[in-house]
Amino acid sequence: RKEVEQDPGPFNVPEGATVAFNCTYSNSASQSFFWYRQDCRKEPKLLMSVYSSGNEDGRFTAQLNRASQYISLLIRDSKLSDSATYLCVVREGNTPLVFGKGTRLSVIA
Amino acid sequence: EAEVAQSPRYKITEKSQAVAFWCDPISGHATLYWYRQILGQGPELLVQFQDESVVDDSQLPKDRFSAERLKGVDSTLKIQPAELGDSAMYLCASSPETGFGYTFGSGTRLTVV
Repeated sequence: RKEVEQDPGPFNVPEGATVAFNCTYSNSASQSFFWYRQDCRKEPKLLMSVYSSGNEDGRFTAQLNRASQYISLLIRDSKLSDSATYLCVVREGNTPLVFGKGTRLSVIA
Repeated sequence: EAEVAQSPRYKITEKSQAVAFWCDPISGHATLYWYRQILGQGPELLVQFQDESVVDDSQLPKDRFSAERLKGVDSTLKIQPAELGDSAMYLCASSPETGFGYTFGSGTRLTVV
């Protein structure tokens, strides 16, 4: 079983739509949680950290449920420029980041 | 903005040949990581360095892969001999210390033919 599981998609949504991605992780000792964005043939870049209380950054909202070991990312008012792969990432203590396979999003005009 | 430099950007090699990738982390970053990302997958850790020392190489296929960071600055990842299944993006990342956020380089895309 992979440590971080994500639906690979693709999610094809029209501009302006709201889309949600989910992720589950198996290591209950995980302490840090992130969403990274990866454009085609580019390196991953940090989108946002995920906190237990939930956090928002503009059109992006991240939620964490430690009891269920579940992380989510909500994108409101999708833009064409949001098209990318979204990687769910977890970390235990100071150990290296562990990445999910990613969920591919295509926003269509 | 400081960057992690990687070269080459692209590499095509024949199977059974040797290939090497280079990474120069952000100045002052003590921790350096090499990840491999196969198409359609997430990045998977190959090796982690703290200064010049290997901290974790448990996922590095040591029969053909080697990594070094001799002076604790730049790093080289080598594959010898390359196999078809090694075709992937090889990503280098650095952070000031373990536990801090990463900055990734642009990666080296390897194609083994």
